[in-house]
Amino acid sequence: SQTIHQWPATLVQPVGSPLSLECTVEGTSNPNLYWYRQAAGRGLQLLFYSVGIGQISSEVPQNLSASRPQDRQFILSSKKLLLSDSGFYLCAWRGDRGHYGYTFGSGTRLTVV
Amino acid sequence: GENVEQHPSTLSVQEGDSAVIKCTYSDSASNYFPWYKQELGKGPQLIIDIRSNVGEKKDQRIAVTLNKTAKHFSLHITETQPEDSAVYFCAASRGVGRRALTFGSGTRLQVQP
Repeated sequence: SQTIHQWPATLVQPVGSPLSLECTVEGTSNPNLYWYRQAAGRGLQLLFYSVGIGQISSEVPQNLSASRPQDRQFILSSKKLLLSDSGFYLCAWRGDRGHYGYTFGSGTRLTVV
Repeated sequence: GENVEQHPSTLSVQEGDSAVIKCTYSDSASNYFPWYKQELGKGPQLIIDIRSNVGEKKDQRIAVTLNKTAKHFSLHITETQPEDSAVYFCAASRGVGRRALTFGSGTRLQVQP
């Protein structure tokens, strides 16, 4: 069966520090991968999605970036965090056939102080 | 792009009553409509979905209806229980696979025992 792992679960970082969040998927190949951000009490904002290794599409201009170095690995990064980067970050995967809905990871709660 | 509006933002019902959450979408080409339940501090979980070739789908106490002409779809929860308390998100997408889901802003459902 397919599983998705996301870490860390919580993170407190100072303003200006770098960020690296990792997401991996098991039990499937060539998944479509997504990063979403959820501000407190708000909806889900799509940040990046990837349909294959090295293929990244950005939905919102910001100081975040994403990379997909391996088929089932998706990384969210920042060189210098802003206070406004605080939020709940969610990774999700979706297949091309037979699996239409997203499966979300457990999320990373990032607090920038 | 797609725009999904969700109402109400909060909903409080008594245990055993029914709850209805409504969403409208803007892209007439959207054909996949999932619903997610998010418990506090966790990632959203897919609870039911519907494709545009179907007008209604039911799974035990939950059901989803779709009106393609009016471009709206609804989630119905019958015989609500305290464990149904969570935030519910609707979403829509054109096609499946790589295309990202556009989410509504969420409904916080509180079931009073």
